[in-house]
Amino acid sequence: EAGVTQFPSHSVIEKGQTVTLRCDPISGHDNLYWYRRVMGKEIKFLLHFVKESKQDESGMPNNRFLAERTGGTYSTLKVQPAELEDSGVYFCASSQVGPGQGPDTQYFGPGTRLTVL
Amino acid sequence: RKEVEQDPGPFNVPEGATVAFNCTYSNSASQSFFWYRQDCRKEPKLLMSVYSSGNEDGRFTAQLNRASQYISLLIRDSKLSDSATYLCVVNKGDSWGKLQFGAGTQVVVTP
Repeated sequence: EAGVTQFPSHSVIEKGQTVTLRCDPISGHDNLYWYRRVMGKEIKFLLHFVKESKQDESGMPNNRFLAERTGGTYSTLKVQPAELEDSGVYFCASSQVGPGQGPDTQYFGPGTRLTVL
Repeated sequence: RKEVEQDPGPFNVPEGATVAFNCTYSNSASQSFFWYRQDCRKEPKLLMSVYSSGNEDGRFTAQLNRASQYISLLIRDSKLSDSATYLCVVNKGDSWGKLQFGAGTQVVVTP
């Protein structure tokens, strides 16, 4: 079974440009999450989709970040315009278990390393 | 105060030895607990979930102490391949699915 995939693996852009990251979750997983690790810090939650709906977007830093999951399959995370502090590794994760069904094991993709110059 | 705190290490461990480390969490409403392993420049991978009764998976033993709000991980008979960063991860009780990560404990197993 294929795991969570992310594209691109690396992206180097200039401040003010736009970047779109893509995540393909494990097939059949309704839950999709975005996380970010800024250098020297712990991994931080950004948002959670259940199918195509945003369940929790409390971790989104500001309105320069837009996440979508049209059709409830893959998701995109757009940063527009990018700032220097957006540099980091963006991880996507997916899980199958719903609320109240037990520990929510999330499977992570390899991440997209974003560098904003 | 961070919501999940870990000793960053590194813990330098001779091959074959035992190493143990803890993490503490601040939210008493947290419901699910995990140890993830992360190799350099790779994604986190689930090592084990942590249950109140404690659980063991081969050479790895995890314990949860809800009263003191800490989680422990013990690695027995350390292998070179155990060298990695171990992430303590907690699921907040008030937001299902939202994982909170510690910064990680680095373990280096030496020959």
